[in-house]
Amino acid sequence: GENVEQHPSTLSVQEGDSAVIKCTYSDSASNYFPWYKQELGKGPQLIIDIRSNVGEKKDQRIAVTLNKTAKHFSLHITETQPEDSAVYFCAATRTGANSKLTFGKGITLSVRP
Amino acid sequence: GAGVSQSPSNKVTEKGKDVELRCDPISGHTALYWYRQSLGQGLEFLIYFQGNSAPDKSGLPSDRFSAERTGGSVSTLTIQRTQQEDSAVYLCASSLAGTSVYNEQFFGPGTRLTVL
Repeated sequence: GENVEQHPSTLSVQEGDSAVIKCTYSDSASNYFPWYKQELGKGPQLIIDIRSNVGEKKDQRIAVTLNKTAKHFSLHITETQPEDSAVYFCAATRTGANSKLTFGKGITLSVRP
Repeated sequence: GAGVSQSPSNKVTEKGKDVELRCDPISGHTALYWYRQSLGQGLEFLIYFQGNSAPDKSGLPSDRFSAERTGGSVSTLTIQRTQQEDSAVYLCASSLAGTSVYNEQFFGPGTRLTVL
């Protein structure tokens, strides 16, 4: 089955700086990679996703890149703000797997004002 | 509109007791998922319902765990003879259909279960 690794477990950045969160996956057949943000006391919420037929996708201050050869994908947040502080989960799955996402363990991002 | 709701938000129980956790998915969503989130861990898949198909129970950790979905809407996760290692946040998610991996899963706020 799929295995998603996410390192490190915590990341602290200064407000205004960029943050990069990296994930690796094991199943070369995986073709869909969503990122979820979980704020304290809430359920995870999808913030951006990428399919295997593209290498990069951007949405305002966030972007995701995918390297299929190396089997890793990254979340990039620019001009970080305190409200970006949360737990971020990456996930992976492949078509035909009944949409069963395999999640990483999450990374806690802290943005220092 | 209304999102996924879960009840109770917190549940404290004694070891050995049974508990029931409820999930109300978004109206019209045919796919429903249960996950477990333990401290410092990711989201562990438990069970998946899609329409009238047989549920995918491959993530249930033991036979003490079961779930049902009545009328294709509300779902109940039952944990029998609870153990301390069952303490976690139990999250429910729903999506429009499980036949496409690209359908966003919408999560509820979770139920925090504490087994004393």
